[in-house]
Amino acid sequence: EAGVVQSPRYKIIEKKQPVAFWCNPISGHNTLYWYLQNLGQGPELLIRYENEEAVDDSQLPKDRFSAERLKGVDSTLKIQPAELGDSAVYLCASSFGLAGGDEQFFGPGTRLTVL
Amino acid sequence: QKEVEQDPGPLSVPEGAIVSLNCTYSNSAFQYFMWYRQYSRKGPELLMYTYSSGNKEDGRFTAQVDKSSKYISLFIRDSQPSDSATYLCAMSANTNAGKSTFGDGTTLTVKP
Repeated sequence: EAGVVQSPRYKIIEKKQPVAFWCNPISGHNTLYWYLQNLGQGPELLIRYENEEAVDDSQLPKDRFSAERLKGVDSTLKIQPAELGDSAVYLCASSFGLAGGDEQFFGPGTRLTVL
Repeated sequence: QKEVEQDPGPLSVPEGAIVSLNCTYSNSAFQYFMWYRQYSRKGPELLMYTYSSGNKEDGRFTAQVDKSSKYISLFIRDSQPSDSATYLCAMSANTNAGKSTFGDGTTLTVKP
């Protein structure tokens, strides 16, 4: 079974440039998560999707970040414009449902460096 | 203060040692307790999952939850060099299903 796929794995951009990350969850998983992980810290939730609907985007900085999950499968996370402080690893995860104990499967992440 | 605090480490032990990793939390609504293992440049992978209080054992790994003290632990017996990774605790509540709050991780190195 294929895991969560993310691309690109690495991205280097200059500040004020736009950037987009793509995620393909495990087939059949209805719930999709985007996390931000800074060096030496745990993942922090940015947004959760249940199918096409964003059920929790309270931690997403909406002035520069946007996300979409068309047709309830793949998802894209965008930053425009990027700032130096956005340098981090962006993780995508998926799970079968929204139950408290549902296992989340993580992708390898996209490591973003903003110069 | 963060909802979940994790012993920062890093931790370095000889092969075969018993390792204890710990987290405390402040939110009494947490019901699900997870331990993830994260290798360098990889995403976290679920290692152990416990609902409410008690112990759970899986091979060399034992997870303990003490809700009265708001304290969870992961024990690794007979540690191996392949156990070298960052271990993250995570917790979630029924009332906000699916939202996990993570600790900052403890990096473990097991020396052969």
